[in-house]
Amino acid sequence: DIQMTQSPSTLSASVGDRVTITCRASQSISNWLAWYQQKAGKAPKVLIYKASISESGVPSRFSGSGSGTEFSLTIINLQPEDFATYYCQQYKSFASFGQGTKVEIK
Amino acid sequence: EVQLVESGGGLVQPGGSLRLSCEASGFAVSTNYMSWVRQAPGKGLEWVSVIYSGGSTEFADSVKGRFTILRHSSENTLYLQMNSLRPEDTAVYYCAKHGRVSYYGARSPSWYFDSWGQGTLVTVSS
Repeated sequence: DIQMTQSPSTLSASVGDRVTITCRASQSISNWLAWYQQKAGKAPKVLIYKASISESGVPSRFSGSGSGTEFSLTIINLQPEDFATYYCQQYKSFASFGQGTKVEIK
Repeated sequence: EVQLVESGGGLVQPGGSLRLSCEASGFAVSTNYMSWVRQAPGKGLEWVSVIYSGGSTEFADSVKGRFTILRHSSENTLYLQMNSLRPEDTAVYYCAKHGRVSYYGARSPSWYFDSWGQGTLVTVSS
């Protein structure tokens, strides 16, 4: 099984900040990685797939990068609606998710 | 517009059974990969099962032999039959449509999830 580890678990930030969330895979997954945003009580929403491709309709302040075992999601100019929990997901072998990173208001 | 609506969750005793439904609109369940993903209260996401467009299925080890995934093409509905339920199966269950990526001019199914239902809560407790 491929294990996904995100850091940090919680991130405190302010509106307008630039934040970066890191995701590490237990083995190489090439660029088979997606990022999701989940707000409380809601279903996840895909932001990025294939490590760096933005899903249609996702604001350009969200970007993804990385390959192999190290990946990152960056949000520039953090907006009030961006405070949420973010998950990475590998799909080289079925699907497995990171434990999540909660972005909270500082 | 793609829409997924789950139903069928509820309280069930350990060892019991439950069948979840996911009614789809805006696309055909039968020509897409479809998965169930669950989330235990306050926890992260766990993939549970997939049914491929060809009809074959796969399951996470944690539910293998206890859960079955099915689809009804004419009703455009996905199902998850859950038997021998355990307290650790307590979670919100989401159905999810797999995304597609372009390969040499064709849109091929991929393993990220581009649409999700609102989820249905399953509680396994005596």
